[in-house]
Amino acid sequence: EDQVTQSPEALRLQEGESSSLNCSYTVSGLRGLFWYRQDPGKGPEFLFTLYSAGEEKEKERLKATLTKKESFLHITAPKPEDSATYLCAVQAIGRLGGGYNKLIFGAGTRLAVHP
Amino acid sequence: GAVVSQHPSRVICKSGTSVKIECRSLDFQATTMFWYRQFPKQSLMLMATSNEGSKATYEQGVEKDKFLINHASLTLSTLTVTSAHPEDSSFYICSAQHRTGYSYEQYFGPGTRLTVT
Repeated sequence: EDQVTQSPEALRLQEGESSSLNCSYTVSGLRGLFWYRQDPGKGPEFLFTLYSAGEEKEKERLKATLTKKESFLHITAPKPEDSATYLCAVQAIGRLGGGYNKLIFGAGTRLAVHP
Repeated sequence: GAVVSQHPSRVICKSGTSVKIECRSLDFQATTMFWYRQFPKQSLMLMATSNEGSKATYEQGVEKDKFLINHASLTLSTLTVTSAHPEDSSFYICSAQHRTGYSYEQYFGPGTRLTVT
């Protein structure tokens, strides 16, 4: 069964204290791994898509990496405005090799950055 | 680019009435849209996959007759909660699939907070 596990469940950082969020996954065939940011009472905001092991993408203080079993979201020198829930999701290739578009979400990591 | 809107953002209705939520992709065409439900401090739960011009595919345990989905055009999908009850109160979020080459990225709307009294 396809599954996504995120850790830690919650993380509290001081401003400027770098850290990493983990997303472990098991999927029959990976089409893509997605990272989203969600603020309270809002829809998820797209951050990154990663497609193959070894791929890395960066955006401001965020950097996402991918291996065959997990992805990391590295946050460098975070600021209070980076406080949010970060969601990881995988999209699996269908059994017949065709498109299969569902996203399977992890439970998320709630990040709080304090000044 | 890749902006998705939802309307209304908040709605309060009385038990037994129906409520319609609209999801629009503003700057791209989406043959596939998705409807999610989210409970407080929990992750997103997929309710159904909506394909333009065909019937929606519902996830196990989601009542088709209660949550009616229509995807009449490439930029609009609607979710109607019929005969709403207090237990239907939740945060409903839609997403639209944006296909570019091999990529199938999903962009989410801002969500609709439904309260049934």
